[in-house]
Amino acid sequence: DAMVIQNPRYQVTQFGKPVTLSCSQTLNHNVMYWYQQKSSQAPKLLFHYYDKDFNNEADTPDNFQSRRPNTSFCFLDIRSPGLGDAAMYLCATSRDYSASAYEQYFGPGTRLTVT
Amino acid sequence: SQQGEEDPQALSIQEGENATMNCSYKTSINNLQWYRQNSGRGLVHLILIRSNEREKHSGRLRVTLDTSKKSSSLLITASRAADTASYFCATESTDSWGKFQFGAGTQVVVTP
Repeated sequence: DAMVIQNPRYQVTQFGKPVTLSCSQTLNHNVMYWYQQKSSQAPKLLFHYYDKDFNNEADTPDNFQSRRPNTSFCFLDIRSPGLGDAAMYLCATSRDYSASAYEQYFGPGTRLTVT
Repeated sequence: SQQGEEDPQALSIQEGENATMNCSYKTSINNLQWYRQNSGRGLVHLILIRSNEREKHSGRLRVTLDTSKKSSSLLITASRAADTASYFCATESTDSWGKFQFGAGTQVVVTP
């Protein structure tokens, strides 16, 4: 089945130790998103790619970076995780932007713990 | 600040009852979408309503949209225990195509 896959599902890292979360999709969608979701809160958009074009949200900390080497894969790099970065990280895809509107397809998420 | 605000924050009902939750937003939108999230999982798309639509149905789900009031409602009829989840609205603003802002969600518990 076409889907959005996130690895790992659970990640534990130490304070200040770089960590990379990965997302892959078999949907061949143009758009890929990364969200941060803290407990009992709304998902917060960090950035997204339209094809290879990177779109950063103004309030996303510089500590968060992303790479999209090809259509299928997207990575979230946290260069120096702090305790406040502990959260669920959700990857999502969408076919395109257009007035027709498309829903997002979410992966299962990676729960990041910072010790 | 969040674009979408939802109420109630939490809702507890019994199986067979209807569940209604509301979403209010601040800017002009292209469309509004509702998602469900089971505990510790990703979000699942439920229904999309465009700004020129007023009501949509999908199975036991009914969504309304009132752009003059900048609000939407999600009704789940004849609820089941499996409907227990958090429900989020997400809006795509007219000046931010392809970007969605989520509300804080309504946590629904359906007891058998």
